[in-house]
Amino acid sequence: KNQVEQSPQSLIILEGKNCTLQCNYTVSPFSNLRWYKQDTGRGPVSLTIMTFSENTKSNGRYTATLDADTKQSSLHITASQLSDSASYICVVSVNTGFQKLVFGTGTRLLVSP
Amino acid sequence: GAVVSQHPSRVICKSGTSVKIECRSLDFQATTMFWYRQFPKKSLMLMATSNEGSKATYEQGVEKDKFLINHASLTLSTLTVTSAHPEDSSFYICSAPPPGLAGVGSLNEQFFGPGTRLTVL
Repeated sequence: KNQVEQSPQSLIILEGKNCTLQCNYTVSPFSNLRWYKQDTGRGPVSLTIMTFSENTKSNGRYTATLDADTKQSSLHITASQLSDSASYICVVSVNTGFQKLVFGTGTRLLVSP
Repeated sequence: GAVVSQHPSRVICKSGTSVKIECRSLDFQATTMFWYRQFPKKSLMLMATSNEGSKATYEQGVEKDKFLINHASLTLSTLTVTSAHPEDSSFYICSAPPPGLAGVGSLNEQFFGPGTRLTVL
């Protein structure tokens, strides 16, 4: 069964601090892995997309890593800002059809002043 | 980047009524759109794949007569929740991949709409 698990479920950090979110997946055949940011009451917005051969990808203060051997990914947020408060969703694309996505349950991040 | 809009952003209706939600790709054509629902603090769950000019493909467990999908044009897909019940209350989100490299293994970005909050009283 294709599954994407994320940890922690929720996280509170102080503004300016760094944090790392984890994603483990059992998806086959693997196509690519994406991290999305979803603000409350809004649709997800893409942060990074990585293929099997990519180990790391950055988007501003967001850096995603991918270990295809262990089927793990992480999203590192540097120098957090209040606007980073949101849910971060790990999504894995299945390589069997057009845009078949498997969603993780997300990590709810709260950045406090 | 490509923009996907949804209308309405939120709707409150009485039990037994039908509600239509629109999903539009504003600056690109989408032959395929996807409809998701999301319960509080839960992940998005794919309900169906909307195909322009043909019938939608529903995921297992989703009632096609309950959730009617019409993809009448290359920029518009609609989801109608028929005879709505309180348990249908949820956040409904659509998405669309822009044109370009398509198919298996594609890195096509999938753009999500802002979502529609449905509350059935």
